[in-house]
Amino acid sequence: GNSVTQMEGPVTLSEEAFLTINCTYTATGYPSLFWYVQYPGEGLQLLLKATKADDKGSNKGFEATYRKETTSFHLEKGSVQVSDSAVYFCASYSGGYQKVTFGIGTKLQVIP
Amino acid sequence: GAGVSQTPSNKVTEKGKYVELRCDPISGHTALYWYRQSLGQGPEFLIYFQGTGAADDSGLPNDRFFAVRPEGSVSTLKIQRTERGDSAVYLCASSQFAWGLNTEAFFGQGTRLTVV
Repeated sequence: GNSVTQMEGPVTLSEEAFLTINCTYTATGYPSLFWYVQYPGEGLQLLLKATKADDKGSNKGFEATYRKETTSFHLEKGSVQVSDSAVYFCASYSGGYQKVTFGIGTKLQVIP
Repeated sequence: GAGVSQTPSNKVTEKGKYVELRCDPISGHTALYWYRQSLGQGPEFLIYFQGTGAADDSGLPNDRFFAVRPEGSVSTLKIQRTERGDSAVYLCASSQFAWGLNTEAFFGQGTRLTVV
């Protein structure tokens, strides 16, 4: 089956700092990759996705590139805001399993 | 409703008791998923329904856990003889079709279960 490994948090950054949250995956075949975000008091939401190698997913200033050679899908944002404070989950999906496998989540705290 | 609704939002129960957790998916969504999120962990798959039937229940940890979706909409996760290790946030998600490349799943806010 699939597995996803992401860096443990918490990550604390000052506003306007550059963000990277690392994520690597193992899978048979070529999975689709996702980043989900959970804001305080809310449910998980899809942030971005990439379905094949070299695809770049982007949303709300966040980006992640599907790197087959390094089996990675690192999340980046050039300038974080306080409102980005949340828990971020890397996840993978392979057709046939009909379910998504999540990483442990990385808590991001952005301070003014 | 507008989103996936889970009730109750919090449930405290004594060890050995029986609990039921309810999920109201988005209207018209055929697929429904239950996940469990333990403290400091990511969500772990429990069971997937397509319509009324459990298409994949491989994530249920043991026979104390059972889930139903009798009319293809609302689902109930049932836990018998609860143990302290069952304490977690139980998440429900629904999608219009099976969750995949082009179908997004929408999550509820979860039910926090605490077994004391």
